Amino acid sequence: DAKTTQPPSMDCAEGRAANLPCNHSTISGNEYVYWYRQIHSQGPQYIIHGLKNNETNEMASLIITEDRKSSTLILPHATLRDTAVYYCIVRANQAGTALIFGKGTTLSVSS
Amino acid sequence: GAVVSQHPSWVICKSGTSVKIECRSLDFQATTMFWYRQFPKQSLMLMATSNEGSKATYEQGVEKDKFLINHASLTLSTLTVTSAHPEDSSFYICSAGTSVYNEQFFGPGTRLTVL
Repeated sequence: DAKTTQPPSMDCAEGRAANLPCNHSTISGNEYVYWYRQIHSQGPQYIIHGLKNNETNEMASLIITEDRKSSTLILPHATLRDTAVYYCIVRANQAGTALIFGKGTTLSVSS
Repeated sequence: GAVVSQHPSWVICKSGTSVKIECRSLDFQATTMFWYRQFPKQSLMLMATSNEGSKATYEQGVEKDKFLINHASLTLSTLTVTSAHPEDSSFYICSAGTSVYNEQFFGPGTRLTVL
């Protein structure tokens, strides 16, 4: 079973920041927080992952609370192409461990 | 990032026939490959995990005799849906992991429709 809780849907205006929350209150010490997204009828796309420090890459920023029980994915300037289902997943960082998907958040970006 | 391909991208078959789906890692060696199934408006469900050269590990409720998985090389895994029925119609997605990269890389998916 998925170990994360996300709101089912969110809306965002084009050009604004999209902040997607995720609760993972039962996360273990060796588990990382991963974010993937799935655009309609495509395979999931990796966005970012982190353990306890905030992380940033060319796609997004990941903010993890100090107690690691929740996190927020930030898309700084959302575009229409960011409309997708966003999945927050916790997983031990070892080879051979599968990603278990929850229901995710459907982000709708509108102009 | 690493690229994973799937073939075919879509397939339509008659009930009772078998369908093979290929998953290839194009620019890296995949020590582990995963197969997922996704029904309309639902999330991805893990079906099985396969390591190169060994038998796949199936999730509870997934029939191993119906969904045959072969991972004969570090760049290729196949999923064969045997004696397909309309309820097997779904979006099948593979992903590949390595001992080098922490993230998994997903294929584009295969849409199976069984008539």
